[in-house]
Amino acid sequence: LAKTTQPISMDSYEGQEVNITCSHNNIATNDYITWYQQFPSQGPRFIIQGYKTKVTNEVASLFIPADRKSSTLSLPRVSLSDTAVYYCLVVDTGRRALTFGSGTRLQVQP
Amino acid sequence: DAGVIQSPRHEVTEMGQEVTLRCKPISGHNSLFWYRQTMMRGLELLIYFNNNVPIDDSGMPEDRFSAKMPNASFSTLKIQPSEPRDSAVYFCASSPEGLAERAGELFFGEGSRLTVL
Repeated sequence: LAKTTQPISMDSYEGQEVNITCSHNNIATNDYITWYQQFPSQGPRFIIQGYKTKVTNEVASLFIPADRKSSTLSLPRVSLSDTAVYYCLVVDTGRRALTFGSGTRLQVQP
Repeated sequence: DAGVIQSPRHEVTEMGQEVTLRCKPISGHNSLFWYRQTMMRGLELLIYFNNNVPIDDSGMPEDRFSAKMPNASFSTLKIQPSEPRDSAVYFCASSPEGLAERAGELFFGEGSRLTVL
């Protein structure tokens, strides 16, 4: 199982772009990279998933370099409601259960 | 779509009592997961089912914990007897069979907050 490393916490201000980088040095060929968001007192919520290069949806962008040993979640123009814990996970497509790490606690201030 | 439904949302019980947590996955999803979250240990996978069959229960802490999935629309997690260290938020999640590109997309319920006194 590929281990992930991400910052424990980050601070930002409303309107700024936030980039959270995650390292996963021993990612396997068939693994995907997935990000989740969790608000207090709620279950984690899937944000985005990718294999390589760039993936974008209505919530975020995910940048994955060619060696796939890291990935960056980009949140454009954050608001106070983006204050949450963000988890980076490496998904073994053969084993659907996810292993969560400690996540990055993002605090957005006015 | 109603999402994953868990009950009860909150439960307070005394040590030694039996606790049963319930989960209704999203219709059509064939994988179901039970997670536990505490401040100290974060999110831990307890067990997961595929097509109602337990696939991996290595995360179940001990024999006091048991989980069942009698049909595709219902699962239970039981703790008997409960202990104070079982206090946590228990999440149920489900996911559909499908493409590898969606393998990491789990749909979580709101959780059941358990307090054992």
